[in-house]
Amino acid sequence: DTGVSQDPRHKITKRGQNVTFRCDPISEHNRLYWYRQTLGQGPEFLTYFQNEAQLEKSRLLSDRFSAERPKGSFSTLEIQRTEQGDSAMYLCASSLTGGIGTEAFFGQGTRLTVV
Amino acid sequence: DQQVKQNSPSLSVQEGRISILNCDYTNSMFDYFLWYKKYPAEGPTFLISISSIKDKNEDGRFTVFLNKSAKHLSLHIVPSQPGDSAVYFCAASALDQGGKLIFGQGTELSVKP
Repeated sequence: DTGVSQDPRHKITKRGQNVTFRCDPISEHNRLYWYRQTLGQGPEFLTYFQNEAQLEKSRLLSDRFSAERPKGSFSTLEIQRTEQGDSAMYLCASSLTGGIGTEAFFGQGTRLTVV
Repeated sequence: DQQVKQNSPSLSVQEGRISILNCDYTNSMFDYFLWYKKYPAEGPTFLISISSIKDKNEDGRFTVFLNKSAKHLSLHIVPSQPGDSAVYFCAASALDQGGKLIFGQGTELSVKP
């Protein structure tokens, strides 16, 4: 399977705990994106990397959120001191740098439930 | 501010008929538009796209139309099949925004046999 892979698929955590999600993009893709989706809404952009450089962070990404992409390959998204409002589907996508016509391919997501 | 809007949360269509899903946007800087299909508990799957220099793009049963003056696009599925039942998201991006996608809220399509 050469698609985008996310781990874990599901995570239940207690409020106040830290969680970390992993994303493995399509191998030749140099761009990697994180999105968050809540019920009844479309995915919302959180942050993206081009290779190992984090180029943009949404204002949705509070100080409790941090993302890394060491060596420009896989990426991790960490949420510290989780809150119930963090419960959502966290989606990772990857794409190739390019002009018009570069679609992003999504992983299956990590569903986070904060209790 | 919702830059991409899908005003119909749901649509029900008979098998074999046409499904038309609509999307409106407000940002004139958007130059690339995409449709994604999503099944429950899965990530969105790319379906079809169109650049702002075109007004129509067709791929099999799927056609996307873009009306830039109205800032409106639509996805036509002909003929509709029960397997098309899913949530459809419209998304837009701007060339200078690093490929970041702005999504609509989604339309849940139900195709009945």
